[in-house]
Amino acid sequence: DQQVKQNSPSLSVQEGRISILNCDYTNSMFDYFLWYKKYPAEGPTFLISISSIKDKNEDGRFTVFLNKSAKHLSLHIVPSQPGDSAVYFCAASASGTYKYIFGTGTRLKVLA
Amino acid sequence: GAVVSQHPSWVICKSGTSVKIECRSLDFQATTMFWYRQFPKQSLMLMATSNEGSKATYEQGVEKDKFLINHASLTLSTLTVTSAHPEDSSFYICSATRALYEQYFGPGTRLTVT
Repeated sequence: DQQVKQNSPSLSVQEGRISILNCDYTNSMFDYFLWYKKYPAEGPTFLISISSIKDKNEDGRFTVFLNKSAKHLSLHIVPSQPGDSAVYFCAASASGTYKYIFGTGTRLKVLA
Repeated sequence: GAVVSQHPSWVICKSGTSVKIECRSLDFQATTMFWYRQFPKQSLMLMATSNEGSKATYEQGVEKDKFLINHASLTLSTLTVTSAHPEDSSFYICSATRALYEQYFGPGTRLTVT
C-alpha cells in the first residue's frame, strides 16, 4: 500500500518557467512533509519542508503548498533552471516519529 | 554541518559472500539512523530503523537475518548483507537524524553481486 504517491513519473519544463511537482498521501496521521532532490547514484538532498500547521512554505525559488483536506502537497520551482533537473521525492512523517515514507519520485527535466 | 558518509561507495562481491556497508554522521551525533534501498527508477524503500545501543527495527518483508544492522555508536551504523545473491544488487542509502524532522542522507552505496 503506497501511502505517499507521486503520480507523475516525469515532467519537462522550459528554463525560466514554473515547475510544479505533485504529491498525494493517504495517511491522515502524517503531519510533516519534506521534498528531496536526488541525482543518479547520489543520496537525496533536502530541499524544503512543511508542517501541517501551515499551508505554504517558501524558500527562495522553492515553495511548498499543503492542502490537508485533499491530502495533497505540491512543490513549485520558479524560475526553473537546468540545474534543477533531477528526481524529486516527497516524504511524509507522522507526529513524534523519525520515520519517513517516500513517494515514488518525479523526474524533472528543465530544458535550456 | 550535517554530513553523512557511506563506505564503500561501490562494491562488487561474489554470490554467497557477505558485504558490510558503513554509515557515519561526521559532524553530529545521530540517535537514529535509517537504511533504505532503491531499485532502478523506483522510490526509496525503508528497510530498517537503527537506534544506537538497541536492536534495529525492520520493515515488513525485510529479512533481519539477511540484512544485519548494528548501531555501535552515535556516529556509526553498519549494514551487513549476508550470503549475498544477485537479487540483492541495489543502491543502499543510509540517513541519520540530528533532531526530529532533520534527516540527512548519505551518498549511497552501489552493491553488485555477481
